[in-house]
Amino acid sequence: GQQVMQIPQYQHVQEGEDFTTYCNSSTTLSNIQWYKQRPGGHPVFLIQLVKSGEVKKQKRLTFQFGEAKKNSSLHITATQTTDVGTYFCAEGSYIPTFGRGTSLIVHP
Amino acid sequence: GAGVSQSPSNKVTEKGKDVELRCDPISGHTALYWYRQSLGQGLEFLIYFQGNSAPDKSGLPSDRFSAERTGGSVSTLTIQRTQQEDSAVYLCASSLGSSFGNTIYFGEGSWLTVV
Repeated sequence: GQQVMQIPQYQHVQEGEDFTTYCNSSTTLSNIQWYKQRPGGHPVFLIQLVKSGEVKKQKRLTFQFGEAKKNSSLHITATQTTDVGTYFCAEGSYIPTFGRGTSLIVHP
Repeated sequence: GAGVSQSPSNKVTEKGKDVELRCDPISGHTALYWYRQSLGQGLEFLIYFQGNSAPDKSGLPSDRFSAERTGGSVSTLTIQRTQQEDSAVYLCASSLGSSFGNTIYFGEGSWLTVV
């Protein structure tokens, strides 16, 4: 699978602040998937992006796929304590290749 | 079943012993994956099954690791002569097929501690 790099590795925010994590690849991605893993839990699928420049929203979460299909971002507006966890991007090939994840810590 | 089921959920074993981890995928899912996650780390791919065959074993870290799948369903991951560096969460996942854009569904994981 292709290598996907995620930044930042950790992010501390105050509750109510926004949060963004970035996923980058040196080569074109066929698609990008995002997963969330709560502390002590297992990764859970959030969304998949396929088209160049695609933007999808889920409530306070906005997902973007770059025009060149080499990067993606997940943006959370007005974070809540329930957003705590590690967010992983993955190229959804026949063997999904995961980034190292961004751990979000929300301080009440 | 309703979800991917893994057992045991927790296992503490002595260094040098063998362990078997079991995964029961979602009914009807032909693709099955094993990943490993060390504390605070990302997901390390171990092995992938399509049906009963394993076209990609490239992620197995050493010859102490092996896996099989029978009947296109249950899979076992075996670690022989466990070492302390094998301590991790072993996550199993399954998906409907093996094409682009498959959503994979993870089990709760088997937490292995080698002492």
